[in-house]
Amino acid sequence: DAGVIQSPRHEVTEMGQEVTLRCKPISGHDYLFWYRQTMMRGLELLIYFNNNVPIDDSGMPEDRFSAKMPNASFSTLKIQPSEPRDSAVYFCASSPGLFFGYFGAGTRLSVL
Amino acid sequence: AQKVTQAQTEISVVEKEDVTLDCVYETRDTTYYLFWYKQPPSGELVFLIRRNSFDEQNEISGRYSWNFQKSTSSFNFTITASQVVDSAVYFCALSEAIKISNFGNEKLTFGTGTRLTIIP
Repeated sequence: DAGVIQSPRHEVTEMGQEVTLRCKPISGHDYLFWYRQTMMRGLELLIYFNNNVPIDDSGMPEDRFSAKMPNASFSTLKIQPSEPRDSAVYFCASSPGLFFGYFGAGTRLSVL
Repeated sequence: AQKVTQAQTEISVVEKEDVTLDCVYETRDTTYYLFWYKQPPSGELVFLIRRNSFDEQNEISGRYSWNFQKSTSSFNFTITASQVVDSAVYFCALSEAIKISNFGNEKLTFGTGTRLTIIP
């Protein structure tokens, strides 16, 4: 299995631009998670899906952030408009039900 | 509320020495899971181990071993005969078991990580 695949690996954009991060979970996993890692706050859960349905988005920082999962093999995290404080590494992870352990390689976002 | 404390921010040891990374957790759940992840300089998060709250047996995997003690709410990680490739940030994490209908799920709460440097 190829594991959780995230793209792009690195994204540099200017403040005010729209940013879309992509994730392909491991086939057969029912849960998908988006995490953000910053020096100040460490690893934070933003949102998670079960069977493509958003279950808990309480970690999403504000309305500029949105996440979708149109099918079992694809999810996006969108930031619009982006701000410098959004600069972080964004991780996607998937889980086959009760077992949790599979993270993607992350997307390093820099907003100038 | 769930909480994970990794009091050691940074540790440096000379290659071949043993090193223990501490993890202390807080939870009101009776059922929970504990994890260790490794984040090498390349940035990805690598899963190392998952333990449930009902299994206090210590576990050994090669040079890695884990000591889970519910009495002290600790889940410490020891690397024996450390190697330069062990240099990374190590995260301890705790799951929150959420019951939805008839199945459960886990939201991870991470510690702040311990940066381990192995000196050749």
